Amino acid sequence: ETGVTQTPRHLVMGMTNKKSLKCEQHLGHNAMYWYKQSAKKPLELMFVYSLEERVENNSVPSRFSPECPNSSHLFLHLHTLQPEDSALYLCASSRDRGSNQPQHFGDGTRLSIL
Amino acid sequence: GQNIDQPTEMTATEGAIVQINCTYQTSGFNGLFWYQQHAGEAPTFLSYNVLDGLEEKGRFSSFLSRSKGYSYLLLKELQMKDSASYLCAVRDPLLGGFKTIFGAGTRLFVKA
Repeated sequence: ETGVTQTPRHLVMGMTNKKSLKCEQHLGHNAMYWYKQSAKKPLELMFVYSLEERVENNSVPSRFSPECPNSSHLFLHLHTLQPEDSALYLCASSRDRGSNQPQHFGDGTRLSIL
Repeated sequence: GQNIDQPTEMTATEGAIVQINCTYQTSGFNGLFWYQQHAGEAPTFLSYNVLDGLEEKGRFSSFLSRSKGYSYLLLKELQMKDSASYLCAVRDPLLGGFKTIFGAGTRLFVKA
C-alpha cells in the first residue's frame, strides 16, 4: 500500500472512445504527476500539478487532458487515442517542491488501445 | 541533452552481492534517486543521494560521484524477492525542481 490509488487497473478502449483515469493520494502531498511507462523505455513525465496548479510539460498530445480538482485527486481524460498510446500510466505524488522528496507511485493503469 | 544509462538486465545468485550502475548526463542536478519496481506494481523509493559518497540503508547502499555523473546501487545478501526492476532517476531543476528524469531500468533476476 503506497498511499496512492489508481483506477481502473486495466482499461481496453477503441480509438474513438472517451475514458478517464483516476488517481487519489492519501498522503497529504501537494504535488501530483502523470507518467507514461512503455516497455523497455524510461518513465516519461506527462503532467505535473503543484497545489492544484498545472506545471505543463508541453510535449503531450492534446488527446490527453489532465484535471486536478483538489490536491488529493488527479484525473487523466483520454479521447481519440492512438495504438502507440498503449502503455502503463502511473500516477505519483510528492510532499512539496523539496528536491529530496521522493515520489510515491500508484500501481498504474494498464491501457490498451484497439 | 538529458540521458540516463543503466544496464538492461542482470542476473545474480541468492545470497550474493550485486552492483547496478547508472550514468547520467543532465542539464542540471538536484539529487539522484533509486526506485524498485516489481512486475505489475508501483515503483517504490529506495534511496536518495545529493552529495558524493555512500548512503547505506540495511542491505541496500547507494553511491554517487557528481563529477563523474555516476551512481551505483549495491544489494547485499540477495533474496529471491529482490528480483525486480531498479530505476535510476535524476532530479533536474527544470520545471521548478519537479522534473525527474528516469532511466529505462535494470531488470534483476535472482536465481537460487
